Amino acid sequence: EDQVTQSPEALRLQEGESSSLNCSYTVSGLRGLFWYRQDPGKGPEFLFTLYSAGEEKEKERLKATLTKKESFLHITAPKPEDSATYLCAVYSDSWGKLQFGAGTQVVVTP
Amino acid sequence: GAGVSQSPRYKVTKRGQDVALRCDPISGHVSLYWYRQALGQGPEFLTYFNYEAQQDKSGLPNDRFSAERPEGSISTLTIQRTEQRDSAMYRCASSSGSGQQETQYFGPGTRLLVL
Repeated sequence: EDQVTQSPEALRLQEGESSSLNCSYTVSGLRGLFWYRQDPGKGPEFLFTLYSAGEEKEKERLKATLTKKESFLHITAPKPEDSATYLCAVYSDSWGKLQFGAGTQVVVTP
Repeated sequence: GAGVSQSPRYKVTKRGQDVALRCDPISGHVSLYWYRQALGQGPEFLTYFNYEAQQDKSGLPNDRFSAERPEGSISTLTIQRTEQRDSAMYRCASSSGSGQQETQYFGPGTRLLVL
């Protein structure tokens, strides 16, 4: 069965303490992996799209990487404003629609 | 430019009533998607339009749920004879290209509460 699993469920970081979030997937025919940020009470905000293994994308303190089985979202020297839930989603031939993980809730304290 | 907008933002209704949720996509976006999001979970696909054509409605839970996009722009998700289990956040997204591999941009959602 196709699955998208994110870990950890929650992450508490000190400001400046770098860490990584994981998104693992079991699908056939990956067509795209998407990372979103979601603040409380708001809709998901697009961050990155990755299409093939080995691809990397960066934006400010965030860097997303992709392998054949998983993606990582690295947060370098986070600030309190990076606190949010980070969602990954996969579009694949086998599923035929965007499939989201449950998200990782990140809290960055000063 | 303006993002995806949804109305109403909050809807409280009584069990058995019909509700209509509206989505106004980003101008020029050809594809429009409806999702439902439970607390602590990612959005779950409901249905998808390419222009005015409903391409996939496999995620609609049952025949009380329907959606339309008659002119290829604004879309309405209608829930008939609402039940308490329909209470959720309903989200709309749009993308500039056809096909779900395109990046989707989400609206703020409509919180539905069925009493």
